Amino acid sequence: QKEVEQNSGPLSVPEGAIASLNCTYSDRGSQSFFWYRQYSGKSPELIMFIYSNGDKEDGRFTAQLNKASQYVSLLIRDSQPSDSATYLCAVNKRGFKTIFGAGTRLFVKA
Amino acid sequence: EAQVTQNPRYLITVTGKKLTVTCSQNMNHEYMSWYRQDPGLGLRQIYYSMNVEVTDKGDVPEGYKVSRKEKRNFPLILESPSPNQTSLYFCASSLSGGQPQHFGDGTRLSIL
Repeated sequence: QKEVEQNSGPLSVPEGAIASLNCTYSDRGSQSFFWYRQYSGKSPELIMFIYSNGDKEDGRFTAQLNKASQYVSLLIRDSQPSDSATYLCAVNKRGFKTIFGAGTRLFVKA
Repeated sequence: EAQVTQNPRYLITVTGKKLTVTCSQNMNHEYMSWYRQDPGLGLRQIYYSMNVEVTDKGDVPEGYKVSRKEKRNFPLILESPSPNQTSLYFCASSLSGGQPQHFGDGTRLSIL
């Protein structure tokens, strides 16, 4: 079992729809959770981070964390073609190692 | 401008020829890290550093060395590169472990 798992996709949604990206992790001691966006040929850029159970909203993005079920998700509302990218879930273990999932490719169709 | 700077951006070299990829950050961050990215495997952590003179292995440290003599610099050393180290490498930094990371632009290494 991988430490951080994501559906590789591709996930295809129409413009204006909600895109839902999911991530599960194996280490119950994990404390910090991140979503990064990576465009082809570019470096990852931070979209959201979340430390506590529940929802955290920032503009069109909502991160959801459920530590009991060991999953973290990212919702993108009103998806735009410019949101088409690979989304990387990352989990930090007690401030030390950071483990990334393999990423989910998202396509938003105009 | 806050940034993480890696050099070189591209390098083609041959097996066994020692090389160093430099990484520097201007944000006074304590935590720095090196990752490699390969198709289908995502980002895998090579080494990380919690502070000056404090480094530890990530998930794929074999064949790499690092040092952290100054807070701003975290070079990645390949003493005897091999073709399986051909990859895209990213340096990243954050205020402390567990905080969001800022990434450099990446270094594409090809080892023939």
